[in-house]
Amino acid sequence: DQQVKQNSPSLSVQEGRISILNCDYTNSMFDYFLWYKKYPAEGPTFLISISSIKDKNEDGRFTVFLNKSAKHLSLHIVPSQPGDSAVYFCAASVWQDDKIIFGKGTRLHILP
Amino acid sequence: DTAVSQTPKYLVTQMGNDKSIKCEQNLGHDTMYWYKQDSKKFLKIMFSYNNKELIINETVPNRFSPKSPDKAHLNLHINSLELGDSAVYFCASSQISMRESGYEQYFGPGTRLTVT
Repeated sequence: DQQVKQNSPSLSVQEGRISILNCDYTNSMFDYFLWYKKYPAEGPTFLISISSIKDKNEDGRFTVFLNKSAKHLSLHIVPSQPGDSAVYFCAASVWQDDKIIFGKGTRLHILP
Repeated sequence: DTAVSQTPKYLVTQMGNDKSIKCEQNLGHDTMYWYKQDSKKFLKIMFSYNNKELIINETVPNRFSPKSPDKAHLNLHINSLELGDSAVYFCASSQISMRESGYEQYFGPGTRLTVT
């Protein structure tokens, strides 16, 4: 049962343009959402997070948007840079469970 | 300086063998985790330890036994390896519990286990 879904296995974006990675979830109890970035042969690294009480969180080039009614969140990267090429994992958590549920990831390719 | 390290990076072994994966963190974190990323690419939590005490055990077979000699180390021992155990295993740590650290975890590079 996939509670966190990333339906696009891969995405290609031109350098300098906006990258938009999407994520859907099914568990309405989720109250905290995160994005992790992963390079080959490395572990995931934390990128940005958002609490369910907010609908937007921004950190430099990265912005996460949360639409609770649609159970959807997205990560925007502007402008996209070559170093952004990686796999991006969406993740979610229920506060009292103290664990994170990850999606399958989306591979982002930034084209020169 | 490696924050979270795992050894070995690759492990190829035969069914029925017993193997261990070691994890060490030098961040001074209180909580450590083991995750499994299977062939479908899902990253799932297996265990978490806080100050050497087991906090989460996610219906993992008894063949998997985590051991935490101190709060900087969390090793994973696997008995009677099966083909389905082939996966990438990630160790991670966080300052306190996931809730209290804002869910920010630091992951090791992973150990690719192949069971033949």
